[in-house]
Amino acid sequence: QVQLQESGPGLVKPSETLSLTCTVSGGSISNYYWSWIRQPAGKGLEWIGRIYTSGSTNYNPSLKSRVTMSVDTSKNQFSLKLSSVTAADTAVYYCARGPVNWGAFDYWGQGTLVTVSS
Amino acid sequence: QSALTQPASVSGSPGQSITISCTGTSSDVGSYNLVSWYQQHPGKAPKVMIYEVSKRPSGVSNRFSGSKSGNTASLTISGLQAEDEADYYCCSYAGSSTLVVFGGGTKLTVL
Repeated sequence: QVQLQESGPGLVKPSETLSLTCTVSGGSISNYYWSWIRQPAGKGLEWIGRIYTSGSTNYNPSLKSRVTMSVDTSKNQFSLKLSSVTAADTAVYYCARGPVNWGAFDYWGQGTLVTVSS
Repeated sequence: QSALTQPASVSGSPGQSITISCTGTSSDVGSYNLVSWYQQHPGKAPKVMIYEVSKRPSGVSNRFSGSKSGNTASLTISGLQAEDEADYYCCSYAGSSTLVVFGGGTKLTVL
């Protein structure tokens, strides 16, 4: 069974860079797309972007200027960096597998809360 | 404001059927059979219930079904059970510019 686990600082200062890593276990990270999705408290889901194991990326146009994703297949990990954060970036951040052919996100991490505050 | 429109809440009694709508545009729901639905219980990660409009992943109850007509997709849950009480989100591919859009979510209450 594929499992995903997010890790990273739970508190980030305004204007700094949010950095998260997702570790995949129970299966290989290779030959799949991997995404980051966030959810502010009490609100809906927002797709941030996806990365293929070749390193090819697609980002949400509304966040594209601040987002960088990377993958480390040797560690079965992929990562998210979001720069110049503000309080509006406070959310639970999920990593997920997919979407394959833009179809669905089939495996999700448990989520990690990141708060932007000084 | 979310790109896809869902009712904020729906409710039903155990055993009944309910339908949650997800309205988009001709640029997303209307153009692609790439609508998926996610169930989210409080404090938990979302779980895919339907993908590609009407396909059910292995392990998902056949009480869950999906359909689409024009720019509106729908999730139907039949034989409502207490465990179905959760938030439900639709999601669609939206073309090469916007890529992925979610609905605002619908809170299902089982009375």
